[in-house]
Amino acid sequence: DQQVKQNSPSLSVQEGRISILNCDYTNSMFDYFLWYKKYPAEGPTFLISISSIKDKNEDGRFTVFLNKSAKHLSLHIVPSQPGDSAVYFCAARGSGTASKLTFGTGTRLQVTL
Amino acid sequence: NAGVTQTPKFQVLKTGQSMTLQCAQDMNHEYMSWYRQDPGMGLRLIHYSVGAGITDQGEVPNGYNVSRSTTEDFPLRLLSAAPSQTSVYFCASSYFGGTNEAFFGQGTRLTVV
Repeated sequence: DQQVKQNSPSLSVQEGRISILNCDYTNSMFDYFLWYKKYPAEGPTFLISISSIKDKNEDGRFTVFLNKSAKHLSLHIVPSQPGDSAVYFCAARGSGTASKLTFGTGTRLQVTL
Repeated sequence: NAGVTQTPKFQVLKTGQSMTLQCAQDMNHEYMSWYRQDPGMGLRLIHYSVGAGITDQGEVPNGYNVSRSTTEDFPLRLLSAAPSQTSVYFCASSYFGGTNEAFFGQGTRLTVV
């Protein structure tokens, strides 16, 4: 049972435009959500996070939105740059589960010139 | 600052062989974990540890063993390798609880033939 879902395996966006990556979850006990970025042959690196008590968190070009009623979060990248081309993983932490993270299957973003 | 170091980076095993994947972190993180990444499956938690002497199973623990004798090291042992264990393995560490900004190693690509 996939508790964290990223239904789009891939996304292609032109440089300078907005990239929107989506993530859905089923477990209402998740209290913290994170996005990780992964380049080929490297480990994932933390990008941005949001607590379940907030609906938006912004860090430079990256903004994460959380809609708790819909159990949906999204990552917006504006403007998109070629260096943003990578696989993006959504992850969630359950309250009371210490630091355990449940990951989605990832979305491969390609930013074209 | 080395962060999380995994060795080896690549390994080929024959079915039935055993081996240990090494993971070390120098950030004094309490929490360490092992994930495997397979195509279309995202990152799945194998085992985790909340401190020296304490380990627990994740989502896919069968065929793997862990121990945590020090804060720094968290080795993953494959007891009798099977082709189904062909995967990319990532070790991660973070502070216990908090904002879970887990730091990942560069990964070990394991092929079992």
